[in-house]
Amino acid sequence: EPEVTQTPSHQVTQMGQEVILRCVPISNHLYFYWYRQILGQKVEFLVSFYNNEISEKSEIFDDQFSVERPDGSNFTLKIRSTKLEDSAMYFCASTQLTTGTGKDNEQFFGPGTRLTVL
Amino acid sequence: QKEVEQNSGPLSVPEGAIASLNCTYSDRGSQSFFWYRQYSGKSPELIMSIYSNGDKEDGRFTAQLNKASQYVSLLIRDSQPSDSATYLCAGHAGNNRKLIWGLGTSLAVNP
Repeated sequence: EPEVTQTPSHQVTQMGQEVILRCVPISNHLYFYWYRQILGQKVEFLVSFYNNEISEKSEIFDDQFSVERPDGSNFTLKIRSTKLEDSAMYFCASTQLTTGTGKDNEQFFGPGTRLTVL
Repeated sequence: QKEVEQNSGPLSVPEGAIASLNCTYSDRGSQSFFWYRQYSGKSPELIMSIYSNGDKEDGRFTAQLNKASQYVSLLIRDSQPSDSATYLCAGHAGNNRKLIWGLGTSLAVNP
C-alpha cells in the first residue's frame, strides 16, 4: 500500500541553524501538508501546498518557514533559523484532489521527523 | 477560534468491551470528520472518516456524526489490548482544507 515517507526520522540541531525536513507524498496525491506536534500538545497545522504554491498557512508559519517541491516527488519544509520552541514532531501528509465529498478528503500521514533544537 | 474538544481520559475498558470516544466541535462550517489513532511517539493513523449525519461502520469501528449537536463519536467493539492508544478527532471545512485537531483521548484496554 502506498505511503508517505519522511527523512530524517530524527534531527538534532543547534539554535539558529537551518534545517530541511523532507517528505515524499503518495504518488498520485496532489495536496500536501505540514503539521507539527509539540510533546503533549495538539497536532497543529502549518501549511498546505497545491499546484506549486501555498494554499493555506497558519500563524505559526512565519517568515522563518518555507516549503518547496523541488522535483516531482519530494516536498520539503525549511526552517531558516531554528528556535528552542521549534522542537517538535513534524508530520507531512498528503491527499488526493477533492472532487466533492468522500475518501479523497482523507489525509495520510508520514512517520514524522522528530526535531530537537538545542 | 475553531476548536475540537475531546476528553483526554484516560479511558480504561476491559478486553472485549465497547470503548466509546467522544468529540465536539465549534465550527458549524466543518463538513468532514476523521478519527486517527496515535501510538506513543508515532504519527496519526487514519481509522475512520465521516461526512454525513448518522452512523458509519467499518469492521469493529463505528463513527457517528450529529451536525446539529456538533458531535462526533467513535465506538470500538470487542476492544483489544492492541487498541490501546490515543485517539485523535479532527475536522475540516472541506475541499482539502487544514485539519483542526482535538487533544486526543487516551484509551487503555486491559487484558
